[in-house]
Formats: sequence, structure tokens, C-alpha cells
Amino acid sequence: KAGVTQTPRYLIKTRGQQVTLSCSPISGHRSVSWYQQTPGQGLQFLFEYFSETQRNKGNFPGRFSGRQFSNSRSEMNVSTLELGDSALYLCASSLAELVQPQHFGDGTRLSIL
Amino acid sequence: EDQVTQSPEALRLQEGESSSLNCSYTVSGLRGLFWYRQDPGKGPEFLFTLYSAGEEKEKERLKATLTKKESFLHITAPKPEDSATYLCAVQAGGGNKLVFGAGTILRVKS
Repeated sequence: KAGVTQTPRYLIKTRGQQVTLSCSPISGHRSVSWYQQTPGQGLQFLFEYFSETQRNKGNFPGRFSGRQFSNSRSEMNVSTLELGDSALYLCASSLAELVQPQHFGDGTRLSIL
Repeated sequence: EDQVTQSPEALRLQEGESSSLNCSYTVSGLRGLFWYRQDPGKGPEFLFTLYSAGEEKEKERLKATLTKKESFLHITAPKPEDSATYLCAVQAGGGNKLVFGAGTILRVKS
């Protein structure tokens, strides 16, 4: 069974640009969550989608947004990139909204120059 | 605000030297506590879910336990391949939001 797939694996952007990251969940998983991982702040929750609806949102500025499609695939977008947005962005999927383990992809490493 | 604190930050062990990692938490309405392992350049790999105080889970050389305020990850006779960052996370309230601790970096030397 294929795991969570994130594309691209690496991205280099400059300040002010925008970026879109993609996540394909494990087959059958309907809940997708996004996290930002940095050396200083660790893993921080960005948002969660279930059945194409945003269920939870973390404490990030409005430049960070996301969406989920009918096939459960998800994208996140960051606009007007800042140097501090350099991070590993991780996507996790789970079966449903109940207490189920979330399975992570290997992330997209975003570097802002 | 939900908080998770892991200790120690780093741990060096000799192969075969058993030890424990600690995860203390402050949450309103714990729904689940999760342990993950993360290798460099990879995403976190799920290890265990614990739901209620007194619960224990085992997998190979790892054993996770849960009390009302903390969880322990016991590593018995570790091997070099157990070297990784171990992350603890809690799920509370609605939805699937996980609050993570900063992790414990484990190095096992042969």
C-alpha cells in the first residue's frame, strides 16, 4: 500500500514569490493535515482538511492556505514568501476524524533565498 | 493551551544499554497520545497510540506507557539502528490536530 506522497521534495524560491505544495494521502484516508517543521519551533500544526472542508487551523498568518479535492488530495499555498518560511512542510493523512494515527509523508523542503 | 515537553533533549547510549524517554503533557481532554520516530530527511514514522492512563504498547525493543500526566518510551537493549529522533504528540479537542514535543535525539553506539 502506497504511503503519503508529497511533491515536490525540494523547492527553492525567493522572497515575495508564492508556492504550491501537493499531498496525496494513503488510499482510503479522508483526513489530511499539514505541519511546518523548523529547527527552532519543531513541528507546528498548520491546518486540517476532511471531506474538502477545513476543520482546524493553526496559528499561522493568512498567507498560508490550503484546500482538499474530492479525491482527498490536498494542496497548500504560501503567498508572499518570507525568509522565515524556510522549513520542511509535512503532510499527514488518517482514516477519519476520530482518534486515528496520522501517517506522514517525507515532506517538501522549502528554501527561501 | 496544550503543551508537550520531552526530556532529555538528547541521549547517547551504548548498544544494549536500556533507558527511557519522557513526555509530559498538559492538555484539556486528552483523546490520544502518539509516539513517532523520525530519521534525518524523512517524515515521522508512527510507532504507538495510547488512549488512557495505565495503557501500555510494545513493539520489538520499544515499550510505551501512559499516566495521567506523562508517557514514557522504554528502549530495551537498543541497537545502532534505533538511533533517531523520537517525537511525542497529543491529540485533544476536536479534529486531528496534533501538538508535538520538541523530540529526543537518540544516538546508540556499537
